[in-house]
Amino acid sequence: QSALTQPRSVSGSPGQSVTISCTGTSSDVGGYNYVSWYQQHPGKAPKLLIYDVTKRPSGVPDRFSGSKSGNTASLTISGLQPEDEADYYCCSYAGGYTFRVFGGGTKLTVL
Amino acid sequence: QVQLQESGPGLVKPSGTLSLTCAVSGGSISSAHWWGWVRQPPGKGLEWIGQTFHSGSTNYNPSLQSRLIMSLDKSNNQFSLNLSSVTAADTAVYFCARDRIEGYYFDYWGQGILVTVSS
Repeated sequence: QSALTQPRSVSGSPGQSVTISCTGTSSDVGGYNYVSWYQQHPGKAPKLLIYDVTKRPSGVPDRFSGSKSGNTASLTISGLQPEDEADYYCCSYAGGYTFRVFGGGTKLTVL
Repeated sequence: QVQLQESGPGLVKPSGTLSLTCAVSGGSISSAHWWGWVRQPPGKGLEWIGQTFHSGSTNYNPSLQSRLIMSLDKSNNQFSLNLSSVTAADTAVYFCARDRIEGYYFDYWGQGILVTVSS
């Protein structure tokens, strides 16, 4: 069982928006503004999409956005494109004992 | 552009030690970042293993701590992972990554290496 809870799968049609949730506790997601999101295509390494809850690295399209409310972080992908079909993982800083926790991952299908 | 490349045996016997190295290019491991490891069992999600700082200090996943040693090799600009007493449950793709100290996120990743624990 993963420390952070994500839906196993989400889907959407090209051009639509989808939101992926990531629920933790006050010891991780809720306690720090250090949530990051990663995109992983099959057989590839994860790619950083969002860090510090809402920030995008250079080169990541602004179709990807992050937010947080309480113990739940969210990744929203707007204007879905076929290449967005991938697995998505959230990760949070969890303090000085556990340090880092990942979500179980969400498979995004673009219909 | 920082690049990371994992290397090591692809097959380890049960009860043995899994040893991997991550070579860093395009940047120095002596810079103020953590250098970490993440693994992914086949068909499953990501699991944080641990991290080592340029000073040599380390933080480990509590569930792996008793079997884990990480270290830096500054002369060769690489860092390493040693996981002892392995079982089939340690079979996974192992990724090394640069772990930003200001924000706690992984910005550069290696391509990953599959390590199978089997006799």
